[in-house]
Amino acid sequence: ELKVEQNPLFLSMQEGKNYTIYCNYSTTSDRLYWYRQDPGKSLESLFVLLSNGAVKQEGRLMASLDTKARLSTLHITAAVHDLSATYFCAVENQFYFGTGTSLTVIP
Amino acid sequence: NAGVTQTPKFQVLKTGQSMTLQCAQDMNHNSMYWYRQDPGMGLRLIYYSASEGTTDKGEVPNGYNVSRLNKREFSLRLESAAPSQTSVYFCASSFQGIQPQHFGDGTRLSIL
Repeated sequence: ELKVEQNPLFLSMQEGKNYTIYCNYSTTSDRLYWYRQDPGKSLESLFVLLSNGAVKQEGRLMASLDTKARLSTLHITAAVHDLSATYFCAVENQFYFGTGTSLTVIP
Repeated sequence: NAGVTQTPKFQVLKTGQSMTLQCAQDMNHNSMYWYRQDPGMGLRLIYYSASEGTTDKGEVPNGYNVSRLNKREFSLRLESAAPSQTSVYFCASSFQGIQPQHFGDGTRLSIL
């Protein structure tokens, strides 16, 4: 059975701090996706990581993929309040989403 | 504006009633998906359609049926609603059947 596990599930951090969200998955996959969901809203596609070693950056968010370790990370640099949301990872071809990481950035 | 449109946005049903959730996309995408999201959980795939004329079961298909009416439209039907189907339903699409790229705003469904 495929498992996509994120940790932490809940994260409260101060503005200006750095932190990393982890996404572990149990099946072989070369591609991984990150999404953002604001409370009560739909999902927005953030990153598509297409191969081992891929790194994508958008503003204060940077995502990376290690297919050998079956691990993706989402690194937050100098957090700001606008980044407060729930972040999901998903493994390609399985359409499975992780449980999500609820991020709250505190002023 | 281009995107994925879901109707209705909210619905309350009684146990045993039936209804159809509608979804349409205007991006000429081949693949469409239906997910449900329960409180504090990720999304679970109900059904997907890799291309017009094809549909496949996802992780939680029981109690649902789908129709890929044409390339634009993908509907989800609850034949006899149960309280366990209370959830937020998202329709999504992608150009090729890999992973959904664009999501609708969701349908919040409550079954009493």
